[in-house]
Amino acid sequence: GESVGLHLPTLSVQEGDNSIINCAYSNSASDYFIWYKQESGKGPQFIIDIRSNMDKRQGQRVTVLLNKTVKHLSLQIAATQPGDSAVYFCAENGGTGFQKLVFGTGTRLLVSP
Amino acid sequence: EAGVAQSPRYKIIEKRQSVAFWCNPISGHATLYWYQQILGQGPKLLIQFQNNGVVDDSQLPKDRFSAERLKGVDSTLKIQPAKLEDSAVYLCASSTYRGFSYEQYFGPGTRLTVT
Repeated sequence: GESVGLHLPTLSVQEGDNSIINCAYSNSASDYFIWYKQESGKGPQFIIDIRSNMDKRQGQRVTVLLNKTVKHLSLQIAATQPGDSAVYFCAENGGTGFQKLVFGTGTRLLVSP
Repeated sequence: EAGVAQSPRYKIIEKRQSVAFWCNPISGHATLYWYQQILGQGPKLLIQFQNNGVVDDSQLPKDRFSAERLKGVDSTLKIQPAKLEDSAVYLCASSTYRGFSYEQYFGPGTRLTVT
């Protein structure tokens, strides 16, 4: 069945460092991937997405890398700030279009000043 | 632009009781989703509406969960009767096409505790 997992449950970094959050997916039919940020007591917030015909996509301070060969997705956050502290989820679509998503279990990012 | 609204924010009930959650999506968003998020896990899709029609309810436990979206705007999710394992945050989301994909906007969720 579909499954999306994360390598590290918690990542601790210093303010100003670059952060890398990793995600492995198992459904080879997935062709659309999203990263979400969820702060305590709030709903997930869209960060960045990527289609399977791309290897890399950049946003503001964030970059998503996709390696379809090994079914691996990563989120890079440049110059990490305390406000980046949250749980980050990757999600995949299982090849079902853009709207039906399967979420992973999340990685908690802790940024210390 | 106002975000997705949900109420109540918190609810505590005893097992076998019933409960209902309400969601008001972002104006103009045709697609509405209900997710269940158990503590320590990612959200799991329960049901997806397109306007007032159900697109996907394959993961909705239909023996106890029901949802409706009258007039294609607001939606309610009901659980009757509740079980202990229903304790979770129930998230509502709505989406719109952004030119690259459909971006889902989530509400703050309703935290349900079943005792």
